[in-house]
Amino acid sequence: QKEVEQNSGPLSVPEGAIASLNCTYSDRVSQSFFWYRQYSGKSPELIMSIYSNGDKEDGRFTAQLNKASQYVSLLIRDSQPSDSATYLCAVNSGGAGNMLTFGGGTRLMVKP
Amino acid sequence: EPEVTQTPSHQVTQMGQEVILRCVPISNHLYFYWYRQILGQKVEFLVSFYNNEISEKSEIFDDQFSVERPDGSNFTLKIRSTKLEDSAMYFCASSDLMVDQPQHFGDGTRLSIL
Repeated sequence: QKEVEQNSGPLSVPEGAIASLNCTYSDRVSQSFFWYRQYSGKSPELIMSIYSNGDKEDGRFTAQLNKASQYVSLLIRDSQPSDSATYLCAVNSGGAGNMLTFGGGTRLMVKP
Repeated sequence: EPEVTQTPSHQVTQMGQEVILRCVPISNHLYFYWYRQILGQKVEFLVSFYNNEISEKSEIFDDQFSVERPDGSNFTLKIRSTKLEDSAMYFCASSDLMVDQPQHFGDGTRLSIL
């Protein structure tokens, strides 16, 4: 059973602060990792993808991957109220069907 | 920017009726997926589809479900005899390569079974 775990939150940060979101996964052979943002009642929107150990930066977002610890994180710098959403961690274990296993999401609240 | 489009946005159906959810994937994408999200729960994989056949399906995707690529642009999910527990948001997604590439999601169809 492939599991992806996230703290459900809410994670509350003040505007301008760094938000740190974490995710652990159970399947050691997992190959690719994605962060999606989901506003209430909307669909998942791709934020970042990461495939190798280390950091990957894209604007205010940095994804971090540690395969040995089976751990993925997302940092959001200079958090804005518009960043308030649920952040979903998704893991692809590389099977034939390219299935994504999602975590339950962390709700982020950025307070002005 | 290209996007995945889904219709209808909301479908209300009586229990036991058949329902077809429609999707137009991003035009140069070759791999298509259906996921569902029951209110307040995780996004769950249903099925992936490539080259006119199912690549992988989950335990949720039982004999009541089927998928089809009826023409060069549409991708459909059919639920043959709906149950109350089929009420959920259904998301279509597509990707341009099978291995590792990000999946892009449509806006979803909210399915309500009465």
